[in-house]
Amino acid sequence: QVQLVQSGAEVKKPGSSVKVSCKASGGTFSSYIISWVRQAPGQGLEWMGRIIPVLGTVNYGQKFQGRVTITADKSTTTAYMEMSSLRSEDTAVYFCNFESISLDFWGQGTVVTVSS
Amino acid sequence: DIQMTQSPSSLSASVGDRVTITCRASQGIRNDLNWYQQKPGKAPKRLIYAASSLQSGVPTRFSGSGSGTEFTLTISSLQPEDFATYYCLQQNGNFAYSFGQGTKLET
Repeated sequence: QVQLVQSGAEVKKPGSSVKVSCKASGGTFSSYIISWVRQAPGQGLEWMGRIIPVLGTVNYGQKFQGRVTITADKSTTTAYMEMSSLRSEDTAVYFCNFESISLDFWGQGTVVTVSS
Repeated sequence: DIQMTQSPSSLSASVGDRVTITCRASQGIRNDLNWYQQKPGKAPKRLIYAASSLQSGVPTRFSGSGSGTEFTLTISSLQPEDFATYYCLQQNGNFAYSFGQGTKLET
């Protein structure tokens, strides 16, 4: 069983960057595909990107390509999502997700508010 | 990116009803599709993976079917705790993943 704990809420200015962390405990970190998903207020789920630590491969949704960086640190079993050039439309709850073929775990979500 | 069209966007139903939600992919994705349930203020919960495999611990009233471009989630007999929003997610390995728009199941 994997427990995921995300970093705390952030308030950012437009044009700045944010880095959200997702610390995993239990399980084997490299066994999972790690995705980041966001949800703007009152809106649906939006897939942002994923990293496969055992392969070192990263894929991003077209909308996030060039503005989002997803990394994973096996030594600290922590995944990160960094987004630059923030705008008000990036205000959302950001979730990390660890999944394998038969297992699926989610972080509690991190609220990122972008406001001047 | 592959586009997922989910329908209906909202659905009114009663306890005991049989409910079906559909997702269509803009191109074939084999069986690389999951279904999730989300309740307000909570993280999503995976119900079905690989189009038809029931996630451990999920009640057997939930089932999934389909392959290629058309997929369905069926709840055979709606229970009070099933009122939530449901999403499909395509996970075709060659492309970025993408969610459907969601279906809000209401009483």
